[in-house]
Amino acid sequence: DVKVTQSSRYLVKRTGEKVFLECVQDMDHENMFWYRQDPGLGLRLIYFSYDVKMKEKGDIPEGYSVSREKKERFSLILESASTNQTSMYLCASSYVGADTQYFGPGTRLTVL
Amino acid sequence: GDSVTQMEGPVTLSEEAFLTINCTYTATGYPSLFWYVQYPGEGLQLLLKATKADDKGSNKGFEATYRKETTSFHLEKGSVQVSDSAVYFCALSDRSQGAQKLVFGQGTRLTINP
Repeated sequence: DVKVTQSSRYLVKRTGEKVFLECVQDMDHENMFWYRQDPGLGLRLIYFSYDVKMKEKGDIPEGYSVSREKKERFSLILESASTNQTSMYLCASSYVGADTQYFGPGTRLTVL
Repeated sequence: GDSVTQMEGPVTLSEEAFLTINCTYTATGYPSLFWYVQYPGEGLQLLLKATKADDKGSNKGFEATYRKETTSFHLEKGSVQVSDSAVYFCALSDRSQGAQKLVFGQGTRLTINP
């Protein structure tokens, strides 16, 4: 079975802190994605990566950056957390050319 | 750009009721269509998908048919169970620069009462 794991289920941070969210997949997938999920808005794509060290902006990249140094790991970085970044963050992965994505359990981030 | 619109929730039904969750889309090409489900406290799981017009996706008693003429992909189940309580997301695929991105609807929360 495909497994996508995220470093934390719940995280509480202060405004202005630098926040790292980690995602690891064990299926050798080329593509990895970061979404945020907010009530009434569904999932919105923040960034995605189709190869090591490659990244592309999604629909809402402002205030975020990403890092993909190894194929299995994709990190989301909040350089200076703000209260409007309080949300559920979901990581996903897929094979290149495949349309099915596999999701991790999510990290619920609260910024105070 | 491409977009997905789902019926607004929340939806509350009694066990064994018939379920329909409406989903319509706009797309410039010929996308694949998906239903994902999110059970409480979990990430999203693929429920079913259809890759071309008139295809029917099915899984766990749920069905959805890709209707190009009405740009719809409505989710149906004949008899729901309490265990079907979850948030359901309709989505379409969007090929872009080597990675197939998904565009999601806003989600519909479904609660089934015993």
